[in-house]
Amino acid sequence: NAGVTQTPKFQVLKTGQSMTLQCAQDMNHNSMYWYRQDPGMGLRLIYYSASEGTTDKGEVPNGYNVSRLNKREFSLRLESAAPSQTSVYFCASSGTGHTGELFFGEGSRLTVL
Amino acid sequence: GENVEQHPSTLSVQEGDSAVIKCTYSDSASNYFPWYKQELGKRPQLIIDIRSNVGEKKDQRIAVTLNKTAKHFSLHITETQPEDSAVYFCAAREGFQKLVFGTGTRLLVSP
Repeated sequence: NAGVTQTPKFQVLKTGQSMTLQCAQDMNHNSMYWYRQDPGMGLRLIYYSASEGTTDKGEVPNGYNVSRLNKREFSLRLESAAPSQTSVYFCASSGTGHTGELFFGEGSRLTVL
Repeated sequence: GENVEQHPSTLSVQEGDSAVIKCTYSDSASNYFPWYKQELGKRPQLIIDIRSNVGEKKDQRIAVTLNKTAKHFSLHITETQPEDSAVYFCAAREGFQKLVFGTGTRLLVSP
């Protein structure tokens, strides 16, 4: 099992450009998440999907959109990138119930110039 | 919503010493408190967790304590080793699915 796979690992954008981060998991998890990690800020939740067909905003959703394409895939889109969106993005998934453990992807480092 | 504060932001210890990281949370309804370890350039990984019906949990050199009344929980690492050097994140679960993380503690264990 690959676990959680996210692409691309690195990306450089110019202000105003758009891009989509892809995430897929092979653990049959219902819930998927997108976090961003910035120095001194920890991991902040952008959007999450508790189950296929549903998405909800997290702490910092402005400037982002998401799509839960199917149970395996959860994508994050930046429609018009801004320098403030320079960050490391992590996708994660978890099973339902009380376990709640998050399994993270390797991260995607995005730089917006 | 839930707010998690974590202290200290950096912690330096000598190999063999103990390390303690503390977190407080705001939502008394939170019931699940995990700790994640992130080595440099790697993904965060769960190292231990505790639920609100338990006051303490141990796993070899790692332990977590929870005080629901005071709304704080702590990570204790004994006999620290250089490979314990990493960033540690506490978190609290808000609702059924959403985890809110603290800002992280960078632990440096010197040989």
